[in-house]
Amino acid sequence: AAGVIQSPRHLIKEKRETATLKCYPIPRHDTVYWYQQGPGQDPQFLISFYEKMQSDKGSIPDRFSAQQFSDYHSELNMSSLELGDSALYFCASSLAAGLDTQYFGPGTRLTVL
Amino acid sequence: GQQVMQIPQYQHVQEGEDFTTYCNSSTTLSNIQWYKQRPGGHPVFLIQLVKSGEVKKQKRLTFQFGEAKKNSSLHITATQTTDVGTYFCAGIGGGSSNTGKLIFGQGTTLQVKP
Repeated sequence: AAGVIQSPRHLIKEKRETATLKCYPIPRHDTVYWYQQGPGQDPQFLISFYEKMQSDKGSIPDRFSAQQFSDYHSELNMSSLELGDSALYFCASSLAAGLDTQYFGPGTRLTVL
Repeated sequence: GQQVMQIPQYQHVQEGEDFTTYCNSSTTLSNIQWYKQRPGGHPVFLIQLVKSGEVKKQKRLTFQFGEAKKNSSLHITATQTTDVGTYFCAGIGGGSSNTGKLIFGQGTTLQVKP
């Protein structure tokens, strides 16, 4: 079965640079969630989209923005990167917002030097 | 805000012993999902519990959702080395404003000694 696809899998950036993370949900899934997981931490919710509209926002810095496109893929844009942004970034998708199971992608490991 | 507490943080067991991890939410949940994450991997969905008092089994794994829909547990019988990993519970809050965001517990990292 098709899974959530994330690219790139690894990304190394310098401080103050920008980064774009991409997420391709499972086919027919219309809801996308972004989570950030620091070393030894649990995933923290950043932002979500349902039918191309932002549905919820968590502890996402103002330097970050995201959107969901007409084909349901989503992109997380990160600017003015800081050392503390180094983390695993997961995208998850579900069939419908609210009660449905979320399936996680393999993640993007971002390292900021 | 809503919090989900999970204990213990770590558990070391001998292969063949049982293992249990517990989650407790500060608020009533719509549902709770359980994930397993191996080192360097991503959270892999195990199960979703929706109903009050629900119990579900997957081979050696037993999942429970409390009557008040505020707590949950995962019990593994006769652990095997393949059970190694971090087990997370993740709750979705109740209410009409529910957007499906998961609030994760801190996770329980299971080590199994052969």
